[in-house]
Amino acid sequence: AQKITQTQPGMFVQEKEAVTLDCTYDTSDQSYGLFWYKQPSSGEMIFLIYQGSYDEQNATEGRYSLNFQKARKSANLVISASQLGDSAMYFCAMREFYNAGGTSYGKLTFGQGTILTVHP
Amino acid sequence: DVKVTQSSRYLVKRTGEKVFLECVQDMDHENMFWYRQDPGLGLRLIYFSYDVKMKEKGDIPEGYSVSREKKERFSLILESASTNQTSMYLCASKEGGTGGYTFGSGTRLTVV
Repeated sequence: AQKITQTQPGMFVQEKEAVTLDCTYDTSDQSYGLFWYKQPSSGEMIFLIYQGSYDEQNATEGRYSLNFQKARKSANLVISASQLGDSAMYFCAMREFYNAGGTSYGKLTFGQGTILTVHP
Repeated sequence: DVKVTQSSRYLVKRTGEKVFLECVQDMDHENMFWYRQDPGLGLRLIYFSYDVKMKEKGDIPEGYSVSREKKERFSLILESASTNQTSMYLCASKEGGTGGYTFGSGTRLTVV
């Protein structure tokens, strides 16, 4: 079963408008973390925002906010006031913890990605 | 800033060749990861390592192996490259605990 699902292969938004990128996840763990990354055409992965499963407030970082709905297992990224430079691939990812060698480690699983295009 | 360096940006190899993809990080991170990225599939975890000489299989380890002889270096090995291993390969590292992940710029491998 897919652990992270991004149902929007592509999204379009007008410059200066807000856009929401969807992400749903599946886990039975109580402790996990949710990440959003941006990947421009150059290929590097740029960290945008993080939400811990126990965080009660939605995470915000500048124009990025994460709409965390724990009961629905969704972690949508909201980009406000879109800019042309926001055009990129966006990935949602979930960190789950596993045990190896007597210690707990994190493992990051990614969704399929959403290509965002910002129109002038 | 943490830097994760992948030795090659683009690589073309022939079917059956043994291929080494190198990744080096400069911040003494314990954990290192290899992912491959394919259109429509996102990033999929191949192998990861949480300490020197320690390795764990990810979700798609078949056809790959890894080596971590030193803390800063994590190598991905394609024992006998095949055309279905043509992909973008991304290396990442993170510090222990709830630290963030830092990615390299990726290696686009083409197997012909």
